[in-house]
Amino acid sequence: DTGVSQDPRHKITKRGQNVTFRCDPISEHNRLYWYRQTLGQGPEFLTYFQNEAQLEKSRLLSDRFSAERPKGSFSTLEIQRTEQGDSAMYLCASSLGGGGRLKDEQFFGPGTRLTVL
Amino acid sequence: QQQVKQSPQSLIVQKGGISIINCAYENTAFDYFPWYQQFPGKGPALLIAIRPDVSEKKEGRFTISFNKSAKQFSLHIMDSQPGDSATYFCAALRLRDSNYQLIWGAGTKLIIKP
Repeated sequence: DTGVSQDPRHKITKRGQNVTFRCDPISEHNRLYWYRQTLGQGPEFLTYFQNEAQLEKSRLLSDRFSAERPKGSFSTLEIQRTEQGDSAMYLCASSLGGGGRLKDEQFFGPGTRLTVL
Repeated sequence: QQQVKQSPQSLIVQKGGISIINCAYENTAFDYFPWYQQFPGKGPALLIAIRPDVSEKKEGRFTISFNKSAKQFSLHIMDSQPGDSATYFCAALRLRDSNYQLIWGAGTKLIIKP
């Protein structure tokens, strides 16, 4: 399968624990995005990478959140000291990008559903 | 100024009918308007998208109508089928932004009754 993959698909953790999610984008895509989606809402932008550079972080991303994309391939999103309010679906998307493109279609992975007890 | 407002929140349509979902935006700098379809347990998938230089775009049974002066756009699903039952999100993007940050509507849960 050449789509965006995310691991794990589901994560249940206790409040205060740290969790890490992984995203593998489509191989030739140089842009990678993280979104958070709560029930009944559209995705909310968290952060964005162009290759290995993290170019944008949303105000939603508190100090407890960190994302990396070493070598510009896969990405990880870590949440430290999880809180019940962190319970959500965490979506990863990737896009091809490239100069001169008028649109930049984002392909989404299946998401990681986090439940904080 | 960054919001995209979507309605209705939920919609039930008989098989074969027309499903219509509406969105309105405030920021006139938006210049790309995609619609995404999301099935339970899956990530959103791009359905169809439009730029403001055209008033309508059709792909199969799916049509986007765009009204630039009213800052509104809508998705029409013709001959709706049970397999179309999903949550639909409109979104908006300012292509000139370096982060390509999509601004999303709240979603419409569509149910097609057989």
